[in-house]
Amino acid sequence: EVQLVESGGGLVQPGGSLRLSCAASGFTFNDYAMHWVRQVPGKGLEWVSGISWNSGNIDYADSVKGRFTISRDNAKNSLYLQMNSLRAEDTALYYCAKDTSGWYRSNWFDPWGQGTPVTVSS
Amino acid sequence: DIQMSQSPSSLSASVGDRVTITCRASEFISIHLNWYQQIPGKAPKVLIYAASSLQSGVPSRFSGSGSGTDFTLTISSLQPEDFATYYCQQSHSTPLSFGGGTKVTIK
Repeated sequence: EVQLVESGGGLVQPGGSLRLSCAASGFTFNDYAMHWVRQVPGKGLEWVSGISWNSGNIDYADSVKGRFTISRDNAKNSLYLQMNSLRAEDTALYYCAKDTSGWYRSNWFDPWGQGTPVTVSS
Repeated sequence: DIQMSQSPSSLSASVGDRVTITCRASEFISIHLNWYQQIPGKAPKVLIYAASSLQSGVPSRFSGSGSGTDFTLTISSLQPEDFATYYCQQSHSTPLSFGGGTKVTIK
C-alpha cells in the first residue's frame, strides 16, 4: 500500500524557517515525481512545488518562489520542503502528493498524505 | 499562468439528483484536466484524470468530459457519500493550478 506521511509542521514566527518532510513507502520512490500542495483551513487547494524523479526539474508557485526549496533523497524515500522567510499567509495544511510519472506535466496527484499543519504567527 | 475557474462554488442537491460541475481554463490545456473529491477532514483523492478517464475504484456514476478550455464533472445519481468539495486541476503547464472548488451539500 502506498503511504505518504508528512511531518515537521508547527508554529513559527513570521520571518522564521521550517523544514517539512514526507516519508514515502509502498512504491519505488525514485520512479516518481513528487509535489507539495497546501490548503488554508476552510479554503481551496494551492500547488506549492513539484520535483521530478531525479531532481532535474523543479518548479514553484510564484507565491513561494525564492523562499521555499523542494528537495528529495531517493536513498531515504523522502521528500522535503525547506520554508524560509515565512509569512502569515503561508499558514496552511501542507500535503505531500505522489505524481503518476517521473515527470510532472500531463499527470495527476495520487495519492496524497494526510498533511502537516503550519502556523505562522507571533 | 493558467487560471482555473469552477462553477458553481456551491450547490445544494438531493440524493438521486444529477449534478454537473463546470471548470474553465484561462487558456488551452488539451485534456490535461483532473478532478478531485475532498471529504471534510480528509485528503483529496482523484476521481477523473485526463478529462474523462475514471480512476480505478471510483464509482461509475462519476464521469468527466471536455477538452481545450471547458470541462464538466457529472455525478449521475448523487449518493450520501458524495457530499464533499470537488476541485478541478490543470496539469498542462507549471505552475500547476486548481479551481476554487465546488461544495456539494444536502438539500
